[in-house]
Amino acid sequence: DAKTTQPPSMDCAEGRAANLPCNHSTISGNEYVYWYRQIHSQGPQYIIHGLKNNETNEMASLIITEDRKSSTLILPHATLRDTAVYYCIVRVRQGGSEKLVFGKGTKLTVNP
Amino acid sequence: AAGVIQSPRHLIKEKRETATLKCYPIPRHDTVYWYQQGPGQDPQFLISFYEKMQSDKGSIPDRFSAQQFSDYHSELNMSSLELGDSALYFCASSPIAGGTETQYFGPGTRLLVL
Repeated sequence: DAKTTQPPSMDCAEGRAANLPCNHSTISGNEYVYWYRQIHSQGPQYIIHGLKNNETNEMASLIITEDRKSSTLILPHATLRDTAVYYCIVRVRQGGSEKLVFGKGTKLTVNP
Repeated sequence: AAGVIQSPRHLIKEKRETATLKCYPIPRHDTVYWYQQGPGQDPQFLISFYEKMQSDKGSIPDRFSAQQFSDYHSELNMSSLELGDSALYFCASSPIAGGTETQYFGPGTRLLVL
């Protein structure tokens, strides 16, 4: 079973920041937080991942709380093309081929 | 940049027929994963291979089998197809040896069983 809880849906105005929360209260010390998104029926797209420090790349920022029990994915300037289902996944990274366990995700709708 | 290639992109089969889905990972990626996504559902892990050996297995039916070849491409073989096998099948690859282990997904194969 998925180890994360996300709101089923969110709306965001185009050009504004989208902040997507994720709860992972049972996360273990060796588990990373990964974010993927899936634009309608396309293959899931990797966005970002982190362990305990905040991370930023060209797509998004990831803020992880100090106790690591929750995180927030931030899309700084959402566009219509960011409309997708966003999945927060916790996953062990130990040099093995650890599968991704997808939960329900958050359906983000970016409105004009 | 090169991406994961899946073929065919669309496939229509009759019940009880067989189907073979192919996956070509990103160059220098040694691990391949297969996922199934039914209509209105989230992707579910089926099976994975690392260096041509099965590394993990999910809820893959016994009617399905898969393997990874010496060039690292993988094939998912599906026999005695059922209506419920209609789904999107995604392949993902990752570079275990490189240490990042991030999985990158292909565009998927849409299978319709009639």
